[in-house]
Amino acid sequence: GAGVSQSPSNKVTEKGKDVELRCDPISGHTALYWYRQSLGQGLEFLIYFQGNSAPDKSGLPSDRFSAERTGGSVSTLTIQRTQQEDSAVYLCASSLGDFSYEQYFGPGTRLTVT
Amino acid sequence: QKEVEQNSGPLSVPEGAIASLNCTYSDRGSQSFFWYRQYSGKSPELIMFIYSNGDKEDGRFTAQLNKASQYVSLLIRDSQPSDSATYLCAVTDTGFQKLVFGTGTRLLVSP
Repeated sequence: GAGVSQSPSNKVTEKGKDVELRCDPISGHTALYWYRQSLGQGLEFLIYFQGNSAPDKSGLPSDRFSAERTGGSVSTLTIQRTQQEDSAVYLCASSLGDFSYEQYFGPGTRLTVT
Repeated sequence: QKEVEQNSGPLSVPEGAIASLNCTYSDRGSQSFFWYRQYSGKSPELIMFIYSNGDKEDGRFTAQLNKASQYVSLLIRDSQPSDSATYLCAVTDTGFQKLVFGTGTRLLVSP
């Protein structure tokens, strides 16, 4: 079946602009996660959704970052007033939830802030 | 600070050999353990997961877990050049949700 999809695959934006990144999880997966991977860095957790609720937002680096999930499916990560340090690959993953913890990643969105 | 430690490598093995990748973690509450393979410029691909102490085998891959020593390993038998990639160890936090990743071990398999 279809895997996790993300759009856009690449995004170049100017410092100070807002960006929206989209994630469409595997059908039937109730849990959705956002991570980011900076050049040469490990994967860093951002936020976790179970259904439409976000019980863990502990990884969001600042109040410029927000995310929502609607209909228990598609999620959008929004970064306001982008900064150069926001440049990274933003990865979305989904899992079945309900005691199934295997997370499957999408292809990622490469964000470059100039 | 919950941490997952891996040797960054590169780990170089000849084709056909066994590659052994190791990982330690700090959170004794971690219950689920994962190995991801990441090719350059690509996203992580789940290749193994293990929840109980002992060994778990899937094809050429064996995951080993020792919770008492807080140690996870991945063995790749009959290594192929196509196995050359970065291998990421990940563990769930105590709440079973988010993954905490190591920085990865780069594996190079030479023909």
